[in-house]
Formats: sequence, structure tokens, C-alpha cells
Amino acid sequence: DTGVSQDPRHKITKRGQNVTFRCDPISEHNRLYWYRQTLGQGPEFLTYFQNEAQLEKSRLLSDRFSAERPKGSFSTLEIQRTEQGDSAMYLCASRSSYRVGPPDTQYFGPGTRLTVL
Amino acid sequence: AQKVTQAQTEISVVEKEDVTLDCVYETRDTTYYLFWYKQPPSGELVFLIRRNSFDEQNEISGRYSWNFQKSTSSFNFTITASQVVDSAVYFCALRRNSGYALNFGKGTSLLVTP
Repeated sequence: DTGVSQDPRHKITKRGQNVTFRCDPISEHNRLYWYRQTLGQGPEFLTYFQNEAQLEKSRLLSDRFSAERPKGSFSTLEIQRTEQGDSAMYLCASRSSYRVGPPDTQYFGPGTRLTVL
Repeated sequence: AQKVTQAQTEISVVEKEDVTLDCVYETRDTTYYLFWYKQPPSGELVFLIRRNSFDEQNEISGRYSWNFQKSTSSFNFTITASQVVDSAVYFCALRRNSGYALNFGKGTSLLVTP
């Protein structure tokens, strides 16, 4: 399977705990995005990486959220001191800089569903 | 500010009916990109189409067609002869030329019944 993969697919945690999600983009995609989707809403942008550089962060990404892409390949999204309002689907997407397939297309992973009790 | 409005929250049709999903957008940019994505019950967003603001040609792909009208800031999506497998949530999205993020609408949930 050469699509975007995310791990874990589901995470249940208690309020106040820290959680970390992983995203493996499509091989050789140098652009990586994180989005958050709550029930009945469209995905909301969180942050963007080009290679290992984090180039844009949404104001939705509070101080409790941190994302990394240390080697320009996989990425991690950590939420510290989780709150019930953090319950959502966390989506990762990747994209190539090169003209491969439809231009400017972000390919999404299956998401990590977080439930904070 | 960028905004995408999908006024239809839920649509239910019987198989083989045609259905149009509306998308209205707001932007002050002259260069921008519009997208449609499908999110089936499995949850993974699937890319359907991308349009740039300078290309107002309508596009047809099999049973799918898209009508882009800058005059009304709309980018509507029509499914002809709908099928049960078309049941999903459909999202319209906008990206600024100078930005990285996709700005999604709230989605339209389409249910196609036999």
C-alpha cells in the first residue's frame, strides 16, 4: 500500500494525558499537512511542513499541540494535557512538489480518531 | 477572508436520479483553487477535482460534472444517474494561491437509496 498511513487509528485517553499520533506520507512526498475534523464539520487546517520545515501553523494549534517532521519523512502530532474539546479525527495529508498525477492534490490518510474522556 | 459555504446539509435521492451539490465561496484573491473531495463511510477523503480561478470551463468525468461560475462565486457538482455507492459526504474546498491550507466547507451528506 503506497497511500498515506496513520497510527493509531483510534485512541481513547483520559483528560490530562498526553497523546502522540504518527503520519507516514506517500513516499517522496515532501509536503505534509495536519487537519482536524469534528463531527459534522469539514476538516480544519492545523499545520504544514515542507520537508522538515514547519512553514505554517493555524491559530487552532494551541501551545498544547506540537508537530514535528524531523527527517522530512514521517511526522508526529503531540497533544499535551488533553481536554475533552480535543476529541476529533486528526487527518494527515501529503503532496508532491512535482507534477505527479493531478496537480496540487493533497492525498489524505484514514485519520486517527481521538476520544478524550 | 476565505469562506466556503455548502448550504445543503443532507440530500437524499433515489438511485438513478440526478443530484447537484452546491458550493459557494468567498475570497478577495484573484488567483485561487477550488476542490471537491468525497468522504465515504470509511472516512478517508478522496480527491475528485481541482480547478484554478482562471479556468471556467465546465468539466465532465463519467457521471460527474462540475459547473464553475466566477460571476456567482459558485462551483457546483452534479452526479448524473446516482448510484448507492455515491453515498458519502462531499466537501468543497478553497486554497489561496499564496497559502498552503485547504479551507473546507461543512460538507453535504448524500444518501442514495435503491
